[in-house]
Amino acid sequence: GNSVTQMEGPVTLSEEAFLTINCTYTATGYPSLFWYVQYPGEGLQLLLKATKADDKGSNKGFEATYRKETTSFHLEKGSVQVSDSAVYFCALRGGGFKTIFGAGTRLFVKA
Amino acid sequence: EPEVTQTPSHQVTQMGQEVILRCVPISNHLYFYWYRQILGQKVEFLVSFYNNEISEKSEIFDDQFSVERPDGSNFTLKIRSTKLEDSAMYFCASSFGGLGTEAFFGQGTRLTVV
Repeated sequence: GNSVTQMEGPVTLSEEAFLTINCTYTATGYPSLFWYVQYPGEGLQLLLKATKADDKGSNKGFEATYRKETTSFHLEKGSVQVSDSAVYFCALRGGGFKTIFGAGTRLFVKA
Repeated sequence: EPEVTQTPSHQVTQMGQEVILRCVPISNHLYFYWYRQILGQKVEFLVSFYNNEISEKSEIFDDQFSVERPDGSNFTLKIRSTKLEDSAMYFCASSFGGLGTEAFFGQGTRLTVV
């Protein structure tokens, strides 16, 4: 079945550092890929998405490119801020329309 | 901006009691979902609902659980005879359509079974 694997956290960075959170997926067909973010005490917010191979999703300085050849959707940001501290979930939607989530990666950004 | 709303934000219940978690999906959405997140763990799919019936459910969604869309706006999750291990954050979500469209999530209901 479909699944998502993302790097374990926590990830601790200093402000203005470069962020990469790795995500790979297993799926039949052509799923849509997403990154969701969960700030402390809050729900899940869509951060960005990509619906086909080579699409790049971007939002708030975050980017991720749908790589079908490597079945990856790594999240990157060039310069993180303290306010980016949150849990980041990689996710996919394939046949059946349910969203399947990775385990989540907690990011701590120090001032 | 339209959003999915869930009530209550926090529910405490005694073991063995029944609880109903409520959700108002985005009004023109057609697909509805419930997910569960046990503290510190991954977000798990429970059930999807389309055209007034369950379209898919996970192995977690056993006879203890049921869903209903009692009117044109609400979508509920009922948990019968709650157990300690049902304590979790429950998220409702909705989407307009299929592939290429994202699901929008509510803020969640934290259920604590004591």
